[in-house]
Order: sequence, then structure tokens, then C-alpha cells
Amino acid sequence: GAVVSQHPSRVICKSGTSVKIECRSLDFQATTMFWYRQFPKKSLMLMATSNEGSKATYEQGVEKDKFLINHASLTLSTLTVTSAHPEDSSFYICSASSWDYQETQYFGPGTRLLVL
Amino acid sequence: GDSVTQMEGPVTLSEEAFLTINCTYTATGYPSLFWYVQYPGEGLQLLLKATKADDKGSNKGFEATYRKETTSFHLEKGSVQVSDSAVYFCALISSGSARQLTFGSGTQLTVLP
Repeated sequence: GAVVSQHPSRVICKSGTSVKIECRSLDFQATTMFWYRQFPKKSLMLMATSNEGSKATYEQGVEKDKFLINHASLTLSTLTVTSAHPEDSSFYICSASSWDYQETQYFGPGTRLLVL
Repeated sequence: GDSVTQMEGPVTLSEEAFLTINCTYTATGYPSLFWYVQYPGEGLQLLLKATKADDKGSNKGFEATYRKETTSFHLEKGSVQVSDSAVYFCALISSGSARQLTFGSGTQLTVLP
């Protein structure tokens, strides 16, 4: 149990376009989802926390107008990178947790974004 | 604020060697402690966890004991395999943190045959 999927696994886009990444909890209801960004050989940086049905809480320094997060249901959250630029190229990872699993976060496999 | 300090890598071992990856933490209250593993090109997988002092988390031959007196949660395995090669992250969730994980910097482990 506790499987989280992400789609797509890899995406290449042109500078200036927008990219949407989906995060789904497949076998549990995710009351909270988290979005992270990971740079090569670095740890994960929390970007935002989203609770189902409410606005996401962004970490300091993360532009909420650039990284749009929607958590419309208990099994789906989306991250949209708007007007992407090469510096947005990174590995984006989501995680999900529920009251049943208490504090444990289950991570998706990640999405590799390359902006040309 | 909360923080996690891991031993710097990379760590290179021969197959069947003993592994220790040190992890210490600073947190308010009584945090829950975790070890996550990331295989190349993949997301993180929960390896083990401990939620209170003196608890021992274990999984796939890995163990870590929650030591409140030394604020540590060192990861150990008695005999590593090539398939254990990955990056290991120590992390915590402290009380009142809205279930946000604080990660260490990660330790790259390479096991040679």
C-alpha cells in the first residue's frame, strides 16, 4: 500500500511554456501533499505544502505565481510551472500523507524537468 | 529551528562490509525520525522510522535506534550488498511542524562487488 505516482516522469519543454506535473495517491486518501525540488547531488528543498480543498502554503523564496499548486481532491495534486525558464530545470518530487499513516510521507518517483 | 546533520559522503564499501551512517538532529519537542533511501533516478522510499526515544526502526537488514540523550539516529547494516548502493537521507518531523520533513543533506553509498 501507500503508493504515490507522478506524471510525467520526464518532460522537456521550451522556455516560456508552462508544464503541469501530476501527483496521485493510488491507494489512500492524501489529506496533505508536499512538493519538493531537488538539485543534482543535493537534498530536497520543500517548495510548498497543500491540504485538500485549500490554498497551498509556500516556503519562503518560492514564487507562488510561478509554481501553481492545486490540490482539488484527496488523491490528486498538481504543480504547474508557468513560463518556465532554464533555471527551473530540476527534479521535482511530491509526497503525500494521510491521518491514517500519521506522520509518514510517501514519495512519488519524481519528475525530471528540462527547460531548453 | 529544526536541523539534521548527516555524515558527509560519499561512502564506498565492499560487499558484506558493515555500514554506519551517522545522523544527529536538533529539534523542539519530541520529533519522529526517519531514514529514506533514493535509488538513482527515483524518488525517495521510506526505509525505517522511529517515533519515540529508544525505539528501534528496522527494515531490509537496516536498523536505527532513536537516542534522545545523544540526539542521534545512526543507520546501520551488518552486511551491505551491491543493491544497497543509493543515497540515504535522515529526516525528522517535529511537533507543531505541520508534518513537514526536515532532511539531512544525504549520504551517497556505493557498494563494490
